[in-house]
Amino acid sequence: ILNVEQSPQSLHVQEGDSTNFTCSFPSSNFYALHWYRWETAKSPEALFVMTLNGDEKKKGRISATLNTKEGYSYLYIKGSQPEDSATYLCAFPDSNYQLIWGAGTKLIIKP
Amino acid sequence: EPEVTQTPSHQVTQMGQEVILRCVPISNHLYFYWYRQILGQKVEFLVSFYNNEISEKSEIFDDQFSVERPDGSNFTLKIRSTKLEDSAMYFCASSALAGGTEAFFGQGTRLTVV
Repeated sequence: ILNVEQSPQSLHVQEGDSTNFTCSFPSSNFYALHWYRWETAKSPEALFVMTLNGDEKKKGRISATLNTKEGYSYLYIKGSQPEDSATYLCAFPDSNYQLIWGAGTKLIIKP
Repeated sequence: EPEVTQTPSHQVTQMGQEVILRCVPISNHLYFYWYRQILGQKVEFLVSFYNNEISEKSEIFDDQFSVERPDGSNFTLKIRSTKLEDSAMYFCASSALAGGTEAFFGQGTRLTVV
């Protein structure tokens, strides 16, 4: 059974500080790694889909790196703002290309 | 911008009743999914649908569940006889391709079984 682990489970960050969190996934038969942001009362929104080892993607103040050989991805947020408060989910397609989801990291930005 | 739409946003039903949750995926997408999230728990995959048939389903998706794409635009999830433990947020998603491209999610239907 494939397992996708995210840590920490929750994170409180002061506004203006930078932060990062981790997604661990099986390193064999890698296909892609997805990051989503899920704000309260909204639906999950895709941030990145990463496919290449060593890849780094960036969207504004948010960036992500990927290490497929060791099976982890980091999501970084630079200069956290209140609107960054959300649950960040990563997901990994299994051999049938169905997304296996991590439990998420709940990020709370303190003003 | 194209989006996935779901109706209703909230459905309350009595235990044992049938419910149909409706979704309109993005028009040029080929893969369709239902997920659910029970309050405080992980997002769970229910079923994927491609080329007018189920391509994958989870253990949760038992005989009480069915999906249909009746008219080429709607994608429905039917729960035949609801149980209390079916109470959850149900999300529909679609993607242009399978797992290598992002999934676009609807706003969800909150199903409450009483």
